[in-house]
Amino acid sequence: SAVISQKPSRDICQRGTSLTIQCQVDSQVTMMFWYRQQPGQSLTLIATANQGSEATYESGFVIDKFPISRPNLTFSTLTVSNMSPEDSSIYLCSVEEIRGEGYTFGSGTRLTVV
Amino acid sequence: QKEVEQNSGPLSVPEGAIASLNCTYSDRGSQSFFWYRQYSGKSPELIMSIYSNGDKEDGRFTAQLNKASQYVSLLIRDSQPSDSATYLCAVNREGGYNKLIFGAGTRLAVHP
Repeated sequence: SAVISQKPSRDICQRGTSLTIQCQVDSQVTMMFWYRQQPGQSLTLIATANQGSEATYESGFVIDKFPISRPNLTFSTLTVSNMSPEDSSIYLCSVEEIRGEGYTFGSGTRLTVV
Repeated sequence: QKEVEQNSGPLSVPEGAIASLNCTYSDRGSQSFFWYRQYSGKSPELIMSIYSNGDKEDGRFTAQLNKASQYVSLLIRDSQPSDSATYLCAVNREGGYNKLIFGAGTRLAVHP
């Protein structure tokens, strides 16, 4: 299965600032997915990133708040902009395995906004 | 109605018993179904996938799918304390491009 390196693993940020999270995959993938997991909650899909086109955002998420880059088939970034304490969550990237054998997740970024 | 529904638990079973986890989904066109295990502070780990009606077994795990009833389940036989985790049901929403939608998760506690 794909191996995903995600960083930073955790960060504590001041409100009003921005944080960029990076995901590097060890193989080329068409789609990369970004999820948020709020404390005690399940995973919510933020957006889908396809190389060469703008990301597609789910209802409730907007590009100005969560800009995404996908410069090539192995890398993507998610930025959490103008952060507030409500953005404190775990953010995870994910890729769909070849042959449709499920999805693999990065190790996650635990973000705390103070 | 949520797209994927699970009982949040906790589900408490004694060591050696069978744990039964259930999930329903709303999109009748869904074709791919997954069970993930998530330990506290860790990212989700895929443990089972199922695509056809019926049962699929892998070691102590059995996934069951009934598309007519829009129902997926996971059975864990001979439950061990190390199975204590949150189990997430996920459904691949297809059309345009695939994306994985998760249920709220069921917390399983296996006690010695």
